[in-house]
Amino acid sequence: AAGVIQSPRHLIKEKRETATLKCYPIPRHDTVYWYQQGPGQDPQFLISFYEKMQSDKGSIPDRFSAQQFSDYHSELNMSSLELGDSALYFCASSSTGEGDEKLFFGSGTQLSVL
Amino acid sequence: DAKTTQPNSMESNEEEPVHLPCNHSTISGTDYIHWYRQLPSQGPEYVIHGLTSNVNNRMASLAIAEDRKSSTLILHRATLRDAAVYYCILRDVKRSARQLTFGSGTQLTVLP
Repeated sequence: AAGVIQSPRHLIKEKRETATLKCYPIPRHDTVYWYQQGPGQDPQFLISFYEKMQSDKGSIPDRFSAQQFSDYHSELNMSSLELGDSALYFCASSSTGEGDEKLFFGSGTQLSVL
Repeated sequence: DAKTTQPNSMESNEEEPVHLPCNHSTISGTDYIHWYRQLPSQGPEYVIHGLTSNVNNRMASLAIAEDRKSSTLILHRATLRDAAVYYCILRDVKRSARQLTFGSGTQLTVLP
């Protein structure tokens, strides 16, 4: 079965550079979520999109932005990178249910900021 | 969202059952109880969820207390591959926001 695909798998950037992370949800899933997980920490919700519109916002820095495109893939854009942005970034997708729908997570993008 | 409390860590022997507890004393009537796990260097993975009745699937069982203020995830025969962080998460079906809010889960160590 198709899973959530994230690219790239690893990304190394310098401070103050920009980075773009991509997420391809499971086909027919209408909601995409982005999470950040720092070393030794639990996943923190950043932002979500439902049917290409932003649906909820978590602890996403102003330097970050995201969007969902017409083909439902999503991109997380990160500018003016800081050392503290080094983390594992997960994307997840789900289809609208009754509030009990499952989230399916990708394998993540490991971002290292040097 | 209502809060959950889990032990920081637990150990189990391989091929023995594991009972992972979760307290959620402020649970509301519309909160579903979800369990996810995260294996090392992987994204979180759905395990099981329920509302009021006990649930079984191929991965695990979920036992929900009658007053719903606690629940237990049961792995019937732990394997080394079950070593992971297990998260108990409440999700209100009435809220429009669909994201999961991860708290501090339980690090399960499985001993050979």
